[in-house]
Amino acid sequence: GDSVTQMEGPVTLSEEAFLTINCTYTATGYPSLFWYVQYPGEGLQLLLKATKADDKGSNKGFEATYRKETTSFHLEKGSVQVSDSAVYFCAWGERGQGRGSTLGRLYFGRGTQLTVWP
Amino acid sequence: DTGVSQNPRHKITKRGQNVTFRCDPISEHNRLYWYRQTLGQGPEFLTYFQNEAQLEKSRLLSDRFSAERPKGSFSTLEIQRTEQGDSAMYLCASSLEAGGPYEQFFGPGTRLTVL
Repeated sequence: GDSVTQMEGPVTLSEEAFLTINCTYTATGYPSLFWYVQYPGEGLQLLLKATKADDKGSNKGFEATYRKETTSFHLEKGSVQVSDSAVYFCAWGERGQGRGSTLGRLYFGRGTQLTVWP
Repeated sequence: DTGVSQNPRHKITKRGQNVTFRCDPISEHNRLYWYRQTLGQGPEFLTYFQNEAQLEKSRLLSDRFSAERPKGSFSTLEIQRTEQGDSAMYLCASSLEAGGPYEQFFGPGTRLTVL
């Protein structure tokens, strides 16, 4: 089965609405969790990350909390803007030995298209 | 610009031809990754290098695909005898594996169309 399951899109919201994009993962051990964003015509950019259980990643008003008990990393934002329109990808990476190190590949979800209308 | 760069940005080829893509990582990064992304899907891992050593290859990387990173800097991905199913965006990413915060920085991708 899929390693990362994301809420299917597209998601369409009005400006200032609350956003949640659900993400659950299947992994062994203690993965690091990520949200990447892809704006129209641009490459993937890291939005936020969390490396251990109960950590909260945050950036640009977006937040996600690493929930090991539910294997989830849901993305939230209290008030979206038109400029947040993009595709959002949830991902996990194997965390290796040693301080801060991580082994190679990332496993990505299928992405969720978000469109915000003024 | 000190980000990850990829060339060419677009490649159109006929079925059966060989193609080669290049990736230049961020200069101090010792890890380099290749992913493939098809329409409506997330990136799928192909292979990665630490310096010049290829450490892991996905089952997606058939024997028509070969990747190299000869001097531990730039990398090339070659596809031989291209098939229509190879049409995708090929992404390169790099990271610094040195005990610091982990992040893969992605390039803009090379879009391959096989006719």
